[in-house]
Amino acid sequence: NFMLTQPHSVSESPGKTVTISCTRSSGSIASNYVQWYQQRPGSSPTTVIYEDYQRPSGVPDRFSGSIDSSSNSASLTISGLETEDEADYYCQSYDSSNRVFGGGTKVTVL
Amino acid sequence: EVQLVQSGAEVKKPGESLKISCKGSGYSFSTYWIGWVRQMPGKGLEWMGIIYPGDSDTRYSPSFQGQVTISADKSISTAYLQWNSLKVSDTAMYYCVRQEDIVAHFDCWGQGTLVTVSS
Repeated sequence: NFMLTQPHSVSESPGKTVTISCTRSSGSIASNYVQWYQQRPGSSPTTVIYEDYQRPSGVPDRFSGSIDSSSNSASLTISGLETEDEADYYCQSYDSSNRVFGGGTKVTVL
Repeated sequence: EVQLVQSGAEVKKPGESLKISCKGSGYSFSTYWIGWVRQMPGKGLEWMGIIYPGDSDTRYSPSFQGQVTISADKSISTAYLQWNSLKVSDTAMYYCVRQEDIVAHFDCWGQGTLVTVSS
């Protein structure tokens, strides 16, 4: 089994850029797709990035995903930060027997 | 419109049994996987398991194997999550999720069912 580690929280001002990391503890980050989910308070999660960098229709292009094999991590970048982006963000990946979520990162828009 | 509609909140006592449901609509229920995700109060997301309603192929997270039962009735487009003997630690929000294939992202989420277990 593996774990996905995220920072507990990040904060930034409107209009700025934040990047959330997601580090895989064992196995290659590039071997299995990484997804990112946004959960606003009191709501169900929704997908903002799937298959490492794909955006579902309706998700603004301010959201982007990437993979870095050298650090065995994935990243979610939110540019042009807006107040509506304030939420918890979870990365998720899988192996042959399990689907694993990161612990979540709270994004605060100052 | 693709939708997953879950059954309502439940309040139970330790040791009681429970079965919650998730009804799919707006798509071919039998041809998509349905999974369950737990979120304990103030905590993160945990994947519990998944079922393919077409043939009832079911997989469990090692953490939840033996603790819950996942089932589905494709004739009424409904998936279930069941406990035989609830514990206080089962208190959580439970979401059902849809996947196009077994490793795809969760492209649709139910509204969640809050289960409270208290003596």
